[in-house]
Amino acid sequence: NAGVTQTPKFRVLKTGQSMTLLCAQDMNHEYMYWYRQDPGMGLRLIHYSVGEGTTAKGEVPDGYNVSRLKKQNFLLGLESAAPSQTSVYFCASRTAYEQYFGPGTRLTVT
Amino acid sequence: KQEVTQIPAALSVPEGENLVLNCSFTDSAIYNLQWFRQDPGKGLTSLLLIQSSQREQTSGRLNASLDKSSGRSTLYIAASQPGDSATYLCAVRDTNAGKSTFGDGTTLTVKP
Repeated sequence: NAGVTQTPKFRVLKTGQSMTLLCAQDMNHEYMYWYRQDPGMGLRLIHYSVGEGTTAKGEVPDGYNVSRLKKQNFLLGLESAAPSQTSVYFCASRTAYEQYFGPGTRLTVT
Repeated sequence: KQEVTQIPAALSVPEGENLVLNCSFTDSAIYNLQWFRQDPGKGLTSLLLIQSSQREQTSGRLNASLDKSSGRSTLYIAASQPGDSATYLCAVRDTNAGKSTFGDGTTLTVKP
């Protein structure tokens, strides 16, 4: 049981490039989340999903897109990266009660 | 909109001391509250979960309490150890949408 995994762990992008972050969970959870964590701003919700095939916007969705084609996977896309998207990105999934987090992806946009 | 505040932002104590971390929230209509630990460069690890109907939860040297009416939760750490050094975050989940609001965390340093 690997829990929540994220790939890649680190990435450096140039402004305007695109990339996809992958989150996978093996706990059969319905709910999955993408957060970003920035110094002084805490954890902020980007997008979330309440089940396979569903997605919804969180607090800071602009510049990001998501897809949940399979229950175990939740993908976060950046179509045209900007320096303001430099952050640490965390994926989480949850049971009816408790959230479980992945190890994070550290993204730098130059 | 729910707002979650954690005070103090940083705390340094000598080893062996008992300590209390605070978490306050503005909207008392919560579903549950979860305490996490985050080590530098790592993800969040769940410590304790308190449902809205509960008053406290205990795990080893950790005890978390919840007072919905006053919008407060405390995390009590007994006999602190250097290995407890980390950032502790609380997260409040609202009743309907299932989304969580996080505090900014308290960074704890336990000195040997």
